[in-house]
Formats: sequence, structure tokens, C-alpha cells
Amino acid sequence: GENVEQHPSTLSVQEGDSAVIKCTYSDSASNYFPWYKQELGKGPQLIIDIRSNVGEKKDQRIAVTLNKTAKHFSLHITETQPEDSAVYFCAASDRLNDYKLSFGAGTTVTVRA
Amino acid sequence: GAGVSQSPRYKVAKRGQDVALRCDPISGHVSLFWYQQALGQGPEFLTYFQNEAQLDKSGLPSDRFFAERPEGSVSTLKIQRTQQEDSAVYLCASSSPGEPSYEQYFGPGTRLTVT
Repeated sequence: GENVEQHPSTLSVQEGDSAVIKCTYSDSASNYFPWYKQELGKGPQLIIDIRSNVGEKKDQRIAVTLNKTAKHFSLHITETQPEDSAVYFCAASDRLNDYKLSFGAGTTVTVRA
Repeated sequence: GAGVSQSPRYKVAKRGQDVALRCDPISGHVSLFWYQQALGQGPEFLTYFQNEAQLDKSGLPSDRFFAERPEGSVSTLKIQRTQQEDSAVYLCASSSPGEPSYEQYFGPGTRLTVT
């Protein structure tokens, strides 16, 4: 099955600075890569996703880049704010079934005021 | 509108007891998923329903785990003869399949502690 590795496991940034989280995946046939944000005591919430026919996607302060050749994708958060503090998970779809997601282990992001 | 709800939010079970965890998906969502999230880890896929049909149960860790969705709406995850390694947060998600994405909406989870 798909294997997703995520780095770093923790990230502390000053408010206003950028945060970058990187993930690698093992199955070159994967074609759907969502990112989730999970706050304490809550379920994961989709914040952005990208498909394999696109190299980059932006939504306000959040962007995701995908490099299919290298099998890695990254989340970029610019102008970080205290409410960005949470655990972020990347995921990749199964080669045959888009619904079946394999998640990374998560990155705990802390934004210092 | 109402999101995915799960009950109970917390469950403590003695080793060997059976437990049942409930998921109410977003109204009208055809697809429903169960995940297991161990402490400090990402969610791991357990099973997938489309309406009442369980199309994929490849992630269920043992035959002690059983899931059902008899009327294509509410789903129940049952764990028989619970073991300490079953302690985790059990997440339910639902989605409405269609191109281009399979966005999954997660509930808050049920934290199961087996003592």
C-alpha cells in the first residue's frame, strides 16, 4: 500500500513568518493529495487539496506544490497567525481508489505571538 | 448546517467488553468512512460504505471489528472483546462522491480507552 512520510514532526514559527511542511509518498500512481488541519478535540478538516495534473494550487495564505517526479508535495502557509496553530496532516490516495487515503504522522505547528 | 456527529465522545471499556460507536453522517452523503487514530499518529483507514454496501473493509485490524450501515445513513462500528491495543480515537467521515474530489468531512471522533 501507499506509504506517506511527513516532516518535520513539530514546527514553531513567529507570527507573520511562513511555515512549510513536506511529505513524500511511495506509489507513483497516487493522484490525489489532500491536507488536513486538526485542532485539539476535533476531527481533521480539509484545508486544501491537489490532483496530479496540477503542480501548484493556492487559496489565500495557503498553497500546495506537487512534484510527481520526485514523489513529494508541500504545504506552505504564509503570514502565519496564532489561529494557524494545530496539527497538520498530509495524505495520498490509493492507486486504484481515490477514497482510500494514507495519512502522514502529522506536524504540530505552533505560531508564537 | 449540521456536520458529522459521533457518539459517545468518550468511552472507557474494560478489557474483554464489547463496544459500539455511532456515526451520523451529513444528510445526503452517500459515502461513509471509519478511521482509527492512535495517539500522535495520522488516521488509518478502516472501512468504506457506499450507501448500505460495505465496499472496502481491508483496514479492519481483526475479525473483532465489525461495521454496519443498514439503511445507508447512520453507521455503527462494533468492537468485540476489546483489547488494550484498541485504545484510540475512532473517526467517522462522510462525503458526496463526484468529480473532481472526494472531500471527506470528519466528525469529532470517539476516544476509546480500554483498561
